[in-house]
Amino acid sequence: NAGVTQTPKFQVLKTGQSMTLQCAQDMNHEYMSWYRQDPGMGLRLIHYSVGAGITDQGEVPNGYNVSRSTTEDFPLRLLSAAPSQTSVYFCASGTGQGQYFGPGTRLTVT
Amino acid sequence: ILNVEQSPQSLHVQEGDSTNFTCSFPSSNFYALHWYRWETAKSPEALFVMTLNGDEKKKGRISATLNTKEGYSYLYIKGSQPEDSATYLCALDGSARQLTFGSGTQLTVLP
Repeated sequence: NAGVTQTPKFQVLKTGQSMTLQCAQDMNHEYMSWYRQDPGMGLRLIHYSVGAGITDQGEVPNGYNVSRSTTEDFPLRLLSAAPSQTSVYFCASGTGQGQYFGPGTRLTVT
Repeated sequence: ILNVEQSPQSLHVQEGDSTNFTCSFPSSNFYALHWYRWETAKSPEALFVMTLNGDEKKKGRISATLNTKEGYSYLYIKGSQPEDSATYLCALDGSARQLTFGSGTQLTVLP
């Protein structure tokens, strides 16, 4: 099993550009989520999904979209990047017994 | 938004010392309490998931307890080693597996 994979590992965007962060898992988990990690803020939930076709907002959803067309994939879209979205993004999948995190994507918006 | 608090924010201990830290959460809104270990430049790794009041979990030298009535969990490390240095996160599962994380306790074990 590859576990949870994320691409890209690093990305630099200009303000106003859009992009998609990819996340995939091969553990057949129904639950997937996206977090951002900022200094002193811990991990904050952006969006999550409890199964294919179902998504919901977390704590900080503004500026991000998600979709879940398959169990395996949960992409995160930045619609119009802003400097405030500079962060490290983690995707996770799991069950009630815990979540498995991907390696993270470090995004810088200039 | 649930408020999950961890203390202390950071901690330095000598190799061989035992230590513990606290996670506090609103007791009225509880499904499960998770502990994660997060090493620098890596991803968080699950340590424990606890659901019942009075739960105790153990993995090697690390153990955790849970009090849902008063809204806290303790993480203990016995005989700390330099490889235990990491940030320890707790997360509250309030509903629909939507985890709310605390800001973590950063542990440094000095050789």
